[in-house]
Amino acid sequence: QQQVKQSPQSLIVQKGGISIINCAYENTAFDYFPWYQQFPGKGPALLIAIRPDVSEKKEGRFTISFNKSAKQFSLHIMDSQPGDSATYFCAAAPRRAGTALIFGKGTTLSVSS
Amino acid sequence: SQTIHQWPATLVQPVGSPLSLECTVEGTSNPNLYWYRQAAGRGLQLLFYSVGIGQISSEVPQNLSASRPQDRQFILSSKKLLLSDSGFYLCAWTGGRQRGLEQYFGPGTRLTVT
Repeated sequence: QQQVKQSPQSLIVQKGGISIINCAYENTAFDYFPWYQQFPGKGPALLIAIRPDVSEKKEGRFTISFNKSAKQFSLHIMDSQPGDSATYFCAAAPRRAGTALIFGKGTTLSVSS
Repeated sequence: SQTIHQWPATLVQPVGSPLSLECTVEGTSNPNLYWYRQAAGRGLQLLFYSVGIGQISSEVPQNLSASRPQDRQFILSSKKLLLSDSGFYLCAWTGGRQRGLEQYFGPGTRLTVT
C-alpha cells in the first residue's frame, strides 16, 4: 500500500513530441504528488507538484494530470526537447507529519533530435 | 533562500574503512532531513530521516547509521564499509507539514567502495 508504481521504465520521444509518464498508488492517505527531474550526476530537482483537490496543474511545458478515483497521476511534457532528456521520478506523501516521500522507480527519458 | 550542501562530492574508500558524509542546510530552521541512496541506474532508497536534533528514523537495516548533532546538520556514517555500500548518496530537506512538503535535494556524494 505504500508503493508508487511508475511506468514506463524508459521512454524515447522525438523532438517536439509529447512525453507521458504514468504513476499509480494504492494508499488513499497520500495527499501530495510531486515530480522530480534528475540529470546524470546531479541531485533530483523538484519539477512540479499537485494536491488531490485539483485535476490538472500546468507549468510551462510540464503538466500533471491527476485522477483521484483511479488513484493515478501522470506527467506530460509537451514539445519535448533534447534538454529534457533525464530521469523523472514521481512521488507521493502521506498525511502523517514527519514522514518521507514515497518515490516511484523512475523513468529515463531520451529525446532524440 | 535555502541551500543544501553535501561533502565530499566524491569519495573512494576501501572495504572495511569508516565513512562519514555530511549534509548541512542553510536559510531555514528545524527542517526535516533525509538520507537517500541511489545505486547506478536505480531509484531512490530512503535510508534515514530526522524531524529534529537527535531524532533519527531508520528505514532500512544495514551497516549505516545517521546522526543529527545540530538543527541543520545531518551525518551519515559507517564503521566498516561494504562493497554494496557503493552508490550516490543524497541528502534532502523539507520544511515539514506546517511549512510545506516540498522536498529539496543536495548535490549528492558519489561513493565508490573498492
